[in-house]
Amino acid sequence: SQELEQSPQSLIVQEGKNLTINCTSSKTLYGLYWYKQKYGEGLIFLMMLQKGGEEKSHEKITAKLDEKKQQSSLHITASQPSHAGIYLCGADRRGSYIPTFGRGTSLIVHP
Amino acid sequence: GAVVSQHPSRVICKSGTSVKIECRSLDFQATTMFWYRQFPKQSLMLMATSNEGSKATYEQGVEKDKFLINHASLTLSTLTVTSAHPEDSSFYICSARTASGNTGELFFGEGSRLTVL
Repeated sequence: SQELEQSPQSLIVQEGKNLTINCTSSKTLYGLYWYKQKYGEGLIFLMMLQKGGEEKSHEKITAKLDEKKQQSSLHITASQPSHAGIYLCGADRRGSYIPTFGRGTSLIVHP
Repeated sequence: GAVVSQHPSRVICKSGTSVKIECRSLDFQATTMFWYRQFPKQSLMLMATSNEGSKATYEQGVEKDKFLINHASLTLSTLTVTSAHPEDSSFYICSARTASGNTGELFFGEGSRLTVL
């Protein structure tokens, strides 16, 4: 099965600070997703990365997949309270199109 | 954008009863849907892959007689928790892709919180 390790497990930052969340796999990733979730609610799609070295941005959030396609990072610039939530990385299980997820990173942004 | 809708969003039932949760793709056809379970402060645990017109594929450790999945049409999959017990209380969430394989975006429903008394 695809094991995805996320770090840090939780993060508390002051509004305006930059932050990075990492997602690491021991195996090559084919299709890496980033989602945001507020507890008890559905997941909001942020970005999908497929190619080594690929980088995508949406507003103040940037995600990148390394060349080896085993690590992805999610970077938030000038964080705001609205960025608070749980960030989950997901990837398709090797040899299939079945998505599985890391344990998530809980982000709190203090105003 | 594509939308996946779940119903009900919250349900409370008595121990021993069965509960059905619906997952609908509102503006696209989904031959495959995924059902997840999430415990507080934990990640999504894949329960099963729901395949339109055929049997669902269950993950190891998930009881298929306990969690019945039916995917009778290209826009609807249902999860029935049979003879529910308090330990079945959880947040259940479904997802579907807008295209076959992994080329389509993966959209999630709003989730259904089940509380078994």
